[in-house]
Parts: sequence; C-alpha cells; structure tokens
Amino acid sequence: DAGITQSPRHKVTETGTPVTLRCHQTENHRYMYWYRQDPGHGLRLIHYSYGVKDTDKGEVSDGYSVSRSKTEDFLLTLESATSSQTSVYFCAISESTDISPLHFGNGTRLTVT
Amino acid sequence: GQNIDQPTEMTATEGAIVQINCTYQTSGFNGLFWYQQHAGEAPTFLSYNVLDGLEEKGRFSSFLSRSKGYSYLLLKELQMKDSASYLCAGTDSNYQLIWGAGTKLIIKP
Repeated sequence: DAGITQSPRHKVTETGTPVTLRCHQTENHRYMYWYRQDPGHGLRLIHYSYGVKDTDKGEVSDGYSVSRSKTEDFLLTLESATSSQTSVYFCAISESTDISPLHFGNGTRLTVT
Repeated sequence: GQNIDQPTEMTATEGAIVQINCTYQTSGFNGLFWYQQHAGEAPTFLSYNVLDGLEEKGRFSSFLSRSKGYSYLLLKELQMKDSASYLCAGTDSNYQLIWGAGTKLIIKP
C-alpha cells in the first residue's frame, strides 16, 4: 500500500473556526490531491498540487486553501468552517497525471456544527 | 458538459456474476478507471482502460467502448467481501478525473 497518512481521522468543529487537515506521503510522488466525498456525489476535487509550492484549484475550491512546502506534506485549510463543509475528505497521490492511478489516504471525517 | 453515469445500487447473489455499467461524456477522453470502496474506507484502484476491449484481472474484468462512451466492470464468482461501492472515473483531455457517484453493490448469500 502507498504510504499516505491523513490526520486527524475525525474532527468536530464549530461554524466559523479555522480547520487544517494534513496529508503526509512517503512515496515521493509529485502529485497530491484533496477531494471531498458526499452522499449522492462523485468525489469532487478541491485543490491539487503538482510540486512544492505549485498548487491549483479544483471544481469546489471556494472556502478552502492549500499549501505544500515539502514534497511529502499537503495541507488543506478551511479558513472559516461552514456546515456545508461537513464531509469526508480524502487525500490522494499519483506519480503522474496521465495513466497513473490515484492512491488514497484513509480519509478525514469532518463535522461542522 | 462532462458527466459520468452509473447505477446507484445493485444487488447480486454470492457465487453469481454481476455487470456494473458506466457511461461517460467528457471533453476529450484519455481513459477510464474503476475503483472499489468498502464502507468507511478509502477507494482502491481496480483497473484502467484506454483502448477498446476487455481487460481481465482474476475475477474482475473491465470493458471499454470509446465509440459508445461506455464501460462496464464485470465481477465473477461473487464473494461477500465484494460488497462495496464501485466508482467509475473518466479522464478528460487535460487528464483531469471526472467521477461518477458510485454504484453500491449488495451481495446476498
């Protein structure tokens, strides 16, 4: 299994508070992704990174920011959490963007009350 | 627009065969992935098709028809552990993944 660790695994927070989720990989893969997964929806891309300090927005990036200061770490920040951001968040990595499959972390279940 | 469609839920019997269909519309096309996701767990890669035809991997096979915008995942000799959601994802011309909502497969003894 690809070495990907997400932390925390579960978090409950209040509306308006900042939240940071961490993804750590030991595979030295260039590409890292943050997705959210909600019932009735496919996985939706929030942000992705194609190298240290190189990031770009996905289809649902509003309300989220990311940072990648080291190859192995990709942080997702909710600046001011809202109830609509209650979701399961998955980090994924891949060697390249073409035919390489994604390898996913175990997910973070975030509840915003 | 870009879209991936797959059935929401399917039921099958242990030991039987089941086919999960996926249709796609993407701006450009660079292949189609299938992932398996057990409840409460992360998706795991099953297969990738870019050329027309059938790719077989043990009990699981995946088929692609580019002209019809259609793929299916075939699971043989179903086991209870195959109860999971199966996610179809197509790649567009920029190699961005477009995900279906997943098909929940229920296996009955």
